[in-house]
Amino acid sequence: DAKTTQPPSMDCAEGRAANLPCNHSTISGNEYVYWYRQIHSQGPQYIIHGLKNNETNEMASLIITEDRKSSTLILPHATLRDTAVYYCIVRYVQGAQKLVFGQGTRLTINP
Amino acid sequence: ETGVTQTPRHLVMGMTNKKSLKCEQHLGHNAMYWYKQSAKKPLELMFVYNFKEQTENNSVPSRFSPECPNSSHLFLHLHTLQPEDSALYLCASSPSGPQSTDTQYFGPGTRLTVL
Repeated sequence: DAKTTQPPSMDCAEGRAANLPCNHSTISGNEYVYWYRQIHSQGPQYIIHGLKNNETNEMASLIITEDRKSSTLILPHATLRDTAVYYCIVRYVQGAQKLVFGQGTRLTINP
Repeated sequence: ETGVTQTPRHLVMGMTNKKSLKCEQHLGHNAMYWYKQSAKKPLELMFVYNFKEQTENNSVPSRFSPECPNSSHLFLHLHTLQPEDSALYLCASSPSGPQSTDTQYFGPGTRLTVL
């Protein structure tokens, strides 16, 4: 799996958009970008994934650069409940494959 | 509600005890996983089962023994554990079909403390 680089921590004001960056400069053509988050002492929660097009769902938007070497997860209107560690993971999607978690970004939403 | 349940949610055991963790998924998935998360460390994969067959063992000590009787249930049998085995143990499942995107869905975890 390609490696990812994320800032260790970020702060965002409640109600504002939270933009979480991720670098994955060694990503290959058949690797997807996945985002998960983990609220304290809970299991990781799937957020969104994409290959090369931008994606949006009820939780977030994923913006992938044209060269696919970086991406940004956007939480459009952050709430206090969005405080969590956010993990950017790059992996092949072929059968049962492990997720390789890094240290992630600890996002703190401030009132 | 993620469709993946784990019991118990908390477990305290002595080093000589034998206990089991249980995971059940209600999502119709074919692959199940055990992960370990120690304090201030990233999640580490322990085992992968695909269609009830173990496909990956990430050099896990034999005091951890997994069992997958069917695609919906996964167990982790514990015996003669050490205090450093105290961690959050997470179960996950994924579709694992050739046409699936194979997103993994996690349970809430079992917080294990070994005294």
